[in-house]
Amino acid sequence: GAVVSQHPSRVICKSGTSVKIECRSLDFQATTMFWYRQFPKKSLMLMATSNEGSKATYEQGVEKDKFLINHASLTLSTLTVTSAHPEDSSFYICSARRNRQFTEAFFGQGTRLTVV
Amino acid sequence: DAKTTQPTSMDCAEGRAANLPCNHSTISGNEYVYWYRQIHSQGPQYIIHGLKNNETNEMASLIITEDRKSSTLILPHATLRDTAVYYCIVSLQTGANNLFFGTGTRLTVIP
Repeated sequence: GAVVSQHPSRVICKSGTSVKIECRSLDFQATTMFWYRQFPKKSLMLMATSNEGSKATYEQGVEKDKFLINHASLTLSTLTVTSAHPEDSSFYICSARRNRQFTEAFFGQGTRLTVV
Repeated sequence: DAKTTQPTSMDCAEGRAANLPCNHSTISGNEYVYWYRQIHSQGPQYIIHGLKNNETNEMASLIITEDRKSSTLILPHATLRDTAVYYCIVSLQTGANNLFFGTGTRLTVIP
């Protein structure tokens, strides 16, 4: 099946620094990718929809200047957590769907961010 | 997207069939039923999806009621590695449509 690769799988950073998370679709092109956030023992919460070649669409309550999304190609979307704080520590997950005729969404393995 | 309701948790004996129910009474005619699972600290894994007919693949079977208001995911022979949170989601069949995750069912397979 299609594979979505997310990197890094774990990252520890200091407060005030920025962290970039990459999401790649390895064997298909993804016009649209999605970024989720998951707190311990909670479900996935959609943060934003990443659209290739255009601005991302953010869910209500998600700060676009805090979580910068870039979708520069059909196989890569990046999420940058800027000026990270301990409360940004979370599990971040991306997903991508192949195209409109293929309905499964494929998820990356997730990135565990710890801000110290 | 229509809302789904699932039991919070279930146990299943290893080797037995695991039947996970899901209610989606407000599903619309063009929405599909998807099942994903998430093993601890990993990204969700696609299992199966269907519109109105029952579906089967190498992982599981999906039984959808005739009125489409509920469905059941069946893992025919549960193993310890099937211990995970199982999410039932209804969504339109378009590539740009994201998936809204509910709370899911935490399935524990017991030796």
